[in-house]
Amino acid sequence: AQTVTQSQPEMSVQEAETVTLSCTYDTSESDYYLFWYKQPPSRQMILVIRQEAYKQQNATENRFSVNFQKAAKSFSLKISDSQLGDAAMYFCAYRELTQGGSEKLVFGKGMKLTVNP
Amino acid sequence: GAVVSQHPSWVICKSGTSVKIECRSLDFQATTMFWYRQFPKQSLMLMATSNEGSKATYEQGVEKDKFLINHASLTLSTLTVTSAHPEDSSFYICSASRRNYGYTFGSGTRLTVV
Repeated sequence: AQTVTQSQPEMSVQEAETVTLSCTYDTSESDYYLFWYKQPPSRQMILVIRQEAYKQQNATENRFSVNFQKAAKSFSLKISDSQLGDAAMYFCAYRELTQGGSEKLVFGKGMKLTVNP
Repeated sequence: GAVVSQHPSWVICKSGTSVKIECRSLDFQATTMFWYRQFPKQSLMLMATSNEGSKATYEQGVEKDKFLINHASLTLSTLTVTSAHPEDSSFYICSASRRNYGYTFGSGTRLTVV
């Protein structure tokens, strides 16, 4: 089974500064999807960004961008110009295809981001 | 955009009773629906995966008879916690997937068993 590792349980950043969240994963597949989800105190899971492994270009969504290193199996999230609303739990996830042909998301343990004013 | 509605958002029930949680995809047909459990300050733990019209696939260690999943249509899945006990108290989240569109999550249900 694939695994997703987020080694930093907590991080903090000053408002308007940049922070990078790390994520590594283990897989033998060549084509797959990776995701970053945000879970604010409301506990609603919100998709931040997704990356398709066959695409070499790193995904970008406004202030959020990823550094996807396929060979190293690394998928870090960079948040630029951090805002107070970015404070949340962040989960890295890998889409696993099961033997039966179905799919599921495998989540990392998450990382709590605090944004200091 | 894709919206998933989950109800109720919170529920308190007595030990020994059953509780049903609904998950609806409002503006799309979901090929697959997922049910997760999340303990405080922890990650999401997948409980089961369900496809419309077929039996749910449960993850190892999840009791099928306690957590009944019904996926009656492409837009509705329900999770019933049967004979609930205090240790079943948790936050339950559903998710619906549509091919090529990714995963959309419900807002979650906080279950408290007293």
